[in-house]
Amino acid sequence: SQQGEEDPQALSIQEGENATMNCSYKTSINNLQWYRQNSGRGLVHLILIRSNEREKHSGRLRVTLDTSKKSSSLLITASRAADTASYFCATDASTGFQKLVFGTGTRLLVSP
Amino acid sequence: DAGVTQSPTHLIKTRGQHVTLRCSPISGHKSVSWYQQVLGQGPQFIFQYYEKEERGRGNFPDRFSARQFPNYSSELNVNALLLGDSALYLCASSSQVPYEQYFGPGTRLTVT
Repeated sequence: SQQGEEDPQALSIQEGENATMNCSYKTSINNLQWYRQNSGRGLVHLILIRSNEREKHSGRLRVTLDTSKKSSSLLITASRAADTASYFCATDASTGFQKLVFGTGTRLLVSP
Repeated sequence: DAGVTQSPTHLIKTRGQHVTLRCSPISGHKSVSWYQQVLGQGPQFIFQYYEKEERGRGNFPDRFSARQFPNYSSELNVNALLLGDSALYLCASSSQVPYEQYFGPGTRLTVT
C-alpha cells in the first residue's frame, strides 16, 4: 500500500518557472526522501531530510518537512526541460531495516 | 564508479513460469533492496538484505524469494508467475542502513 500521496498528480510549467510538489504521509517517520524517475526507468535520489530537520537545499532543490502536519514539499527553482520526469516522495519509518514507502508520484512536464 | 546494475533489462515470461532477476550493488555497498513498480504506481518494497541476511520483507506472497551472495550481489526469484506480476523490478543498494538508496535501471517483466 502507498504511504503517501503527492499533489498535484501532474504539473505542466514553462522553462524558468518554479515547480512545487507536495507530499503527505500517515505515520511517524525517520526520514523522507525525494526521487526522480525518467520514463519508467530507475529512480534517481535527489535529497534526504531527517525527521529533526525542517528545510534542506541542494542546488536548485529546496525541501521542507513539517512533521506536525505529516507533509513535505519539493521546490524546483528555475526549471529546465530536462527536469521533465516523475517525482516521488518516500518515507522511511522502519526500525532495524530500511523500507521506503513511496507515494503515487507527481508527473512534471517542463516545456521550452 | 559503476552504479547499481540489473539484468536482464527486459523479460517476457508465461504464466506459471519461474523468473530470476539479478542485481549488483555499488562497490562497497552491503545492503540490497528490491522493489516492484506497477505501471502508474510508486515502487513497493519487497525485500531488504544486509550482510547476506534478510532484514525486512514487504507484503508479498511466498512465491517471491531472494538471496544475497558473499559479494553482496542479489537475486530475486518469483515462482508460478501471474499476470499481475508484470512490473518494473527495481534493485537499490546503500552503504548503511538507514541511508540514501541508489537504484538500478530496473528489469521490466512482462507475464503473458
